[in-house]
Amino acid sequence: QSVLTQPPSVSAAPGQKVTISCSGDSSNIGNNYVSWYEQLPGTAPRLLIYENNKRPSGIPDRFSGSKSGTSATLGITGLQTGDEADYYCGTWDTTLSVVVFGGGTKLTVL
Amino acid sequence: QVQLVESGGGLVKPGGSLRLSCAASGFTFSDYYMNWIRQAPGKGLEWVSNINQYGSTIYYADSVKGRFTISRDNAKKSVYLQMNSLRAEDTAVYYCAKRESGDAFDVWGRGTMVTVSS
Repeated sequence: QSVLTQPPSVSAAPGQKVTISCSGDSSNIGNNYVSWYEQLPGTAPRLLIYENNKRPSGIPDRFSGSKSGTSATLGITGLQTGDEADYYCGTWDTTLSVVVFGGGTKLTVL
Repeated sequence: QVQLVESGGGLVKPGGSLRLSCAASGFTFSDYYMNWIRQAPGKGLEWVSNINQYGSTIYYADSVKGRFTISRDNAKKSVYLQMNSLRAEDTAVYYCAKRESGDAFDVWGRGTMVTVSS
């Protein structure tokens, strides 16, 4: 299983808001930056959030990130059917000296 | 534009070897850490390895340590992954990714498929 824990799936209606959690410990999330990725079916992942809460250029402000202690959260507002994808959190693990990812969360926009 | 293009994937028998390449363009390659990240069919992302700008600092996932070797050629703007003693569980799409601040991966290639099967 993954070092970082994410819910396997979340769902919400179009126009609504959803949050995806990512839980770790002091070796990873607790002392390092968290990033979030979106992966549409059949495509490479795309960076949504870096350094816990920063958005790269071109990422709409419907996407937001936060971190508290050893957990991080991705928020998506104004859900669209095009947001249906797998979402991953990632960070460096200082003890293991590796990058770790969450197991991924499948978002369904009902 | 900023781009990463992987190549070298294919079908290989268990115990065999393969060398992946990733060609970069559109950014100053020698300024960045580069990474290999893989995704087995239907599974999540698994980080494989990274290398710093000079090739002097390298890390590997435990699952590939001792079997895979990452390297880079800044003059050719390329990063490589030599994969030896391949196993069925190495079957995956292998992505090359550029590391940005905060250990985030801001540029990804399209990936190259590696299948290990007899």
